[in-house]
Amino acid sequence: KAGVTQTPRYLIKTRGQQVTLSCSPISGHRSVSWYQQTPGQGLQFLFEYFSETQRNKGNFPGRFSGRQFSNSRSEMNVSTLELGDSALYLCASSLMPTGTATSYEQYFGPGTRLTVT
Amino acid sequence: KNEVEQSPQNLTAQEGEFITINCSYSVGISALHWLQQHPGGGIVSLFMLSSGKKKHGRLIATINIQEKHSSLHITASHPRDSAVYICAVKGTSQFYFGTGTSLTVIP
Repeated sequence: KAGVTQTPRYLIKTRGQQVTLSCSPISGHRSVSWYQQTPGQGLQFLFEYFSETQRNKGNFPGRFSGRQFSNSRSEMNVSTLELGDSALYLCASSLMPTGTATSYEQYFGPGTRLTVT
Repeated sequence: KNEVEQSPQNLTAQEGEFITINCSYSVGISALHWLQQHPGGGIVSLFMLSSGKKKHGRLIATINIQEKHSSLHITASHPRDSAVYICAVKGTSQFYFGTGTSLTVIP
């Protein structure tokens, strides 16, 4: 089974631009989560999608948005890029979303390294 | 205030040593995950725990729900275990992550 794929792997953008990152989950997985990793803040949760619906959202400004398609593929968008948005963006897929009573193994993609200049 | 605290931040060990990494959390959780991240960024999920103890090869993870504490043990450490180990917990609406423990195992 193919793993989680993310495109592009590397991206350089200028302040003020917008960017769209893509994530294809493992076949059969219906939940996709997005994370930001920076040297200063570590890993932080962005959002979780299931059945084309955002289930949970972390503490990020509205410039960060996402969506999930009917085939479970997901995209995240960052508008009006700032220098501080430079980070490794990771997505992870799981069979189902993690609820309060159950938890499912997450499988991470290789990440997209975004540099904002 | 960090919802997840890990210790130590950095750890250097000789090959063959027994290693313990600790994780304490302050939120109610459905599960705790131990993640491994090698240089270059790729993250692998090592364990997902909601109670008790799990073992994969030389790795053992334990969790005490009442004390809100988990430990990751590596027996007979090897240079290929050198990586950053991250504790993550799933709260009611999101994941919280520890800052990671950078492990270096010297031959």
